Amino acid sequence: AQKITQTQPGMFVQEKEAVTLDCTYDTSDPSYGLFWYKQPSSGEMIFLIYQGSYDQQNATEGRYSLNFQKARKSANLVISASQLGDSAMYFCAMRELGGRRALTFGSGTRLQVQP
Amino acid sequence: EADIYQTPRYLVIGTGKKITLECSQTMGHDKMYWYQQDPGMELHLIHYSYGVNSTEKGDLSSESTVSRIRTEHFPLTLESARPSHTSQYLCASSEAQGKEQFFGPGTRLTVL
Repeated sequence: AQKITQTQPGMFVQEKEAVTLDCTYDTSDPSYGLFWYKQPSSGEMIFLIYQGSYDQQNATEGRYSLNFQKARKSANLVISASQLGDSAMYFCAMRELGGRRALTFGSGTRLQVQP
Repeated sequence: EADIYQTPRYLVIGTGKKITLECSQTMGHDKMYWYQQDPGMELHLIHYSYGVNSTEKGDLSSESTVSRIRTEHFPLTLESARPSHTSQYLCASSEAQGKEQFFGPGTRLTVL
């Protein structure tokens, strides 16, 4: 069974600072995908970044980067130059590679960016 | 940009009513999913579909049912709503071997 753990229920960061949101995972599958989604108060899920288990380099998408440490089974999200609009819930998720290809989500981290 | 739609966005109903939450996607995706999310909590898979006429229960037990008569349409039905069904319901879709799951905007259901 897959499991995602996010140990930070809430985080504060000053505007323009960088912040790291933690995510650890557990799976017995050698092949898997890791995702980060942003959920603002309006409720929709916004895809941010993806990392495949065999990707050699850490994924980056604009101000988002994923610090992937496979041996430690961690996939932390780094947001650089935080903006007020970054305030939201952030979910780490893992995708099964076979069968359903459904996502297993962590409990989320609520990020608040302060001016 | 994802083309996946959910209606209604918000629904407040009384106990015992039958409701259907609509989900449609125009991307031709074979795989579709329903997730349930209580406020401030993680998402849990309640239903999924591999394609037309294929539906399965997810990891979280749910009294809801789903159908997949057309590729683009994956409605969720509650025959008799109860206050315990109050939650947000998110629909998603993906290509068979696709990387990303695309989410709809969600339906926030409140049962009084």
